[in-house]
Amino acid sequence: QQQVKQSPQSLIVQKGGISIINCAYENTAFDYFPWYQQFPGKGPALLIAIRPDVSEKKEGRFTISFNKSAKQFSLHIMDSQPGDSATYFCAASNSGGSNYKLTFGKGTLLTVNP
Amino acid sequence: NAGVTQTPKFQVLKTGQSMTLQCAQDMNHEYMSWYRQDPGMGLRLIHYSVGAGITDQGEVPNGYNVSRSTTEDFPLRLLSAAPSQTSVYFCASSYSRRADTGELFFGEGSRLTVL
Repeated sequence: QQQVKQSPQSLIVQKGGISIINCAYENTAFDYFPWYQQFPGKGPALLIAIRPDVSEKKEGRFTISFNKSAKQFSLHIMDSQPGDSATYFCAASNSGGSNYKLTFGKGTLLTVNP
Repeated sequence: NAGVTQTPKFQVLKTGQSMTLQCAQDMNHEYMSWYRQDPGMGLRLIHYSVGAGITDQGEVPNGYNVSRSTTEDFPLRLLSAAPSQTSVYFCASSYSRRADTGELFFGEGSRLTVL
C-alpha cells in the first residue's frame, strides 16, 4: 500500500514558468509534510515543510499548498530556474509516533529549460 | 563540518558476497537511518536507530543487518548480496526522534551494483 502518491513522475518547465508537483496521502494520522530536493549525485535535502494547521506556506519562490479535507498537498515553484532542476520528494509523518517514520513519495524529476 | 559521511561511494559485488556500507555523522545526532533509492520507487527505509544499542526494522529490511555501537556510526551489512540489492543507499540522521521536530540530513549516497 503506497501511503503517499506523488505526481507527475517527471516535469519539464520553461525558465520563468510555474512548476507544480502534487501529492496525496491516505493515512489521516499524518500531520507533518516536508518536501525534499535532490540534485544529481547528492543526497536529498529538506526544502520546505508544512503542518495541517495552515493551508499554505511560502519560502521565497517555493510554496506548499495543503488541502486537509482532500488529503492532498502540492509544491509550487514560481519563476522556475534551471538551477531548480532536481528530483523532488514529498513525504509525510505522524508526529504522534514514538519514532521517526517518514514516508516518501516516489519522486518527481523536474527539468527547467533555459 | 563533515555532516553525514558514507563510504564507499561506489562498489561492485558478485552475488553471494558480503560487504558493509559505512556511515558516520559528526553532529551528535540521536537518530540514524538507512534508505535505498531505486528508479520509480522513491526512498524506502531499510533500518533505523534511535540511539546507541537500539535498532529497528523499516519498510524493506530483508537481506540487511545493522548495529549501533556508538552515537556516530551506523554501518549497514549485506550478508549475501543479491542482484535485487543493486541500488543507491543513503544514510540519514536527525537530532530528533520525531520527523516534525528534526530535519533529516542525508549523506551523498553509496552506489552498489551486484552482478
